[in-house]
Amino acid sequence: AQSVTQPDIHITVSEGASLELRCNYSYGATPYLFWYVQSPGQGLQLLLKYFSGDTLVQGIKGFEAEFKRSQSSFNLRKPSVHWSDAAEYFCAVGAYSGNTPLVFGKGTRLSVIA
Amino acid sequence: GAVVSQHPSRVICKSGTSVKIECRSLDFQATTMFWYRQFPKQSLMLMATSNEGSKATYEQGVEKDKFLINHASLTLSTLTVTSAHPEDSSFYICSAGPAGVYNEQFFGPGTRLTVL
Repeated sequence: AQSVTQPDIHITVSEGASLELRCNYSYGATPYLFWYVQSPGQGLQLLLKYFSGDTLVQGIKGFEAEFKRSQSSFNLRKPSVHWSDAAEYFCAVGAYSGNTPLVFGKGTRLSVIA
Repeated sequence: GAVVSQHPSRVICKSGTSVKIECRSLDFQATTMFWYRQFPKQSLMLMATSNEGSKATYEQGVEKDKFLINHASLTLSTLTVTSAHPEDSSFYICSAGPAGVYNEQFFGPGTRLTVL
């Protein structure tokens, strides 16, 4: 079965601290992995994606993620969090090719404190 | 990147009425579009796959007679919530991707439906 697990429902970090959001996936084919961010009442914004090549991918807003096939993980990181990063973060997986829908994790809510 | 639009962005309706939500791919053609629903503080759940020129494919538990999907052209899919009830209040998001090898999906900004 295809699934995405985000173990942390809610994370609170101090502004300026580093951040790591965890994502594990189960997918029967070669995965195509994404991280999205959603502010309250807003749509999804793509932070970064991975489908092949270098397993460390850089995204927007200073985020990066590392694909580890052996661990079926695609964790999102940021070295220094800003207050504006407070939002809901979703990890998603899709097929490497073909027009197929994405499977989303339940999301991790990030709070940033001063 | 490619752009997907949705209209309206927000709609409030009375219980029992029908509401139509449009999803458009603005700069590419999409033979397939996807409709997701997101309840407050929850993740996106796939409702159905909209196929141009053919019937939509619904996920288990989604009532096809309640959520009518029409994909009449390569750039437009519509979702009609028929006889809406308060429990249908949700955030509806569509996605689409240009034809090609890699599965690149672009998401619309979403439609907030509130049924009174």
